[in-house]
Amino acid sequence: AAGVIQSPRHLIKEKRETATLKCYPIPRHDTVYWYQQGPGQDPQFLISFYEKMQSDKGSIPDRFSAQQFSDYHSELNMSSLELGDSALYFCASSLYWIRDRENTDTQYFGPGTRLTVL
Amino acid sequence: GIQVEQSPPDLILQEGANSTLRCNFSDSVNNLQWFHQNPWGQLINLFYIPSGTKQNGRLSATTVATERYSLLYISSSQTTDSGVYFCAVGMIKAAGNKLTFGGGTRVLVKP
Repeated sequence: AAGVIQSPRHLIKEKRETATLKCYPIPRHDTVYWYQQGPGQDPQFLISFYEKMQSDKGSIPDRFSAQQFSDYHSELNMSSLELGDSALYFCASSLYWIRDRENTDTQYFGPGTRLTVL
Repeated sequence: GIQVEQSPPDLILQEGANSTLRCNFSDSVNNLQWFHQNPWGQLINLFYIPSGTKQNGRLSATTVATERYSLLYISSSQTTDSGVYFCAVGMIKAAGNKLTFGGGTRVLVKP
């Protein structure tokens, strides 16, 4: 079965540079999420989009922005990179639906982009 | 926000042993997922289990939503079961609602 695709898989940047991470959701999924996982930590939610509109927002720095395009892929743009931005960045996708009057939204994670800021 | 606690934080098993991992959460949820993060960093979906019991091969999970906990059972452990197991919860009120992860249980299965 098709999975979430993320590119690039590895990225090395210098401080104060800019990075763009891309995410291609599972076909027919309408929701994408971005999570950040620092070394030895659990994943932390950054932001999500449903049908190209921002849906939920977590502790995403102002230096970061994201959007979902008409083909449902998403990009996370990171500017003025800092050493502390070095982390594994996950994209997840889901298909939101209601079954038996209950919301269902299983998230499937991509392989992640490992960003190293030097 | 919701708090998620996992126990134990670390677990060392001999191959073939059984184990139980626990996830406690502080508020009502209608989304609970278990993940396995392998040594390469990939997060693998194990279960979507906001309530009830499910089984998948040597793994099974039970969530008692009214008592705010979930259990993940690993039977006849294998070295490939090593990695970090995360429980993640959320309250889905609309599309795109976040998951909050616990701190994980780091499992090492020795041959």
